[in-house]
Amino acid sequence: DGGITQSPKYLFRKEGQNVTLSCEQNLNHDAMYWYRQDPGQGLRLIYYSQIVNDFQKGDIAEGYSVSREKKESFPLTVTSAQKNPTAFYLCASRRIGAGNQPQHFGDGTRLSIL
Amino acid sequence: SQQGEEDPQALSIQEGENATMNCSYKTSINNLQWYRQNSGRGLVHLILIRSNEREKHSGRLRVTLDTSKKSSSLLITASRAADTASYFCATDAGKETSGSRLTFGEGTQLTVNP
Repeated sequence: DGGITQSPKYLFRKEGQNVTLSCEQNLNHDAMYWYRQDPGQGLRLIYYSQIVNDFQKGDIAEGYSVSREKKESFPLTVTSAQKNPTAFYLCASRRIGAGNQPQHFGDGTRLSIL
Repeated sequence: SQQGEEDPQALSIQEGENATMNCSYKTSINNLQWYRQNSGRGLVHLILIRSNEREKHSGRLRVTLDTSKKSSSLLITASRAADTASYFCATDAGKETSGSRLTFGEGTQLTVNP
């Protein structure tokens, strides 16, 4: 079945460490998104990409970095500059150019500080 | 910034009752979408309503949109225990052909008691 795969499901970060969250989709979607969700709250946009080798900052990009070298992959790196990284991270993708389209989500990665 | 605001924040009902959740937003939109999130999982798209539509149905779901009041409501009829989840509205202000961003509200936590 087509879908979005996020890995790992759980991730622990040590002080001063960078960690990378994986997001892969086989839906042939052009646009991909990264969100952060804190307990009991909505989603906040970190970064998004509408085409390979291009991406835009969202509302809370500081302390995060992304790359989009392949259409199906959009990894997120949480750098040591992000002082409060503990959260649930969700990746999504969307088809472009076919009218109004919803976003499709992965099952998330839960990141915690050791 | 979060454009959508859901009301109520939490709703507890008995099986068989109807559940109504409201969403308000601040700027002009192209469409508004409702998503569901089970605990610890990704979001699942429920229904999309375009700015030129006033009402839309999908199974036990009914969504209304009032662009003059910048508000939407989601009605779940004959609720079931399996409907227990968080529900989010998301607004899309971009062009139909773009991979533009969504802005999510804070969500309504619905609990359906057996």
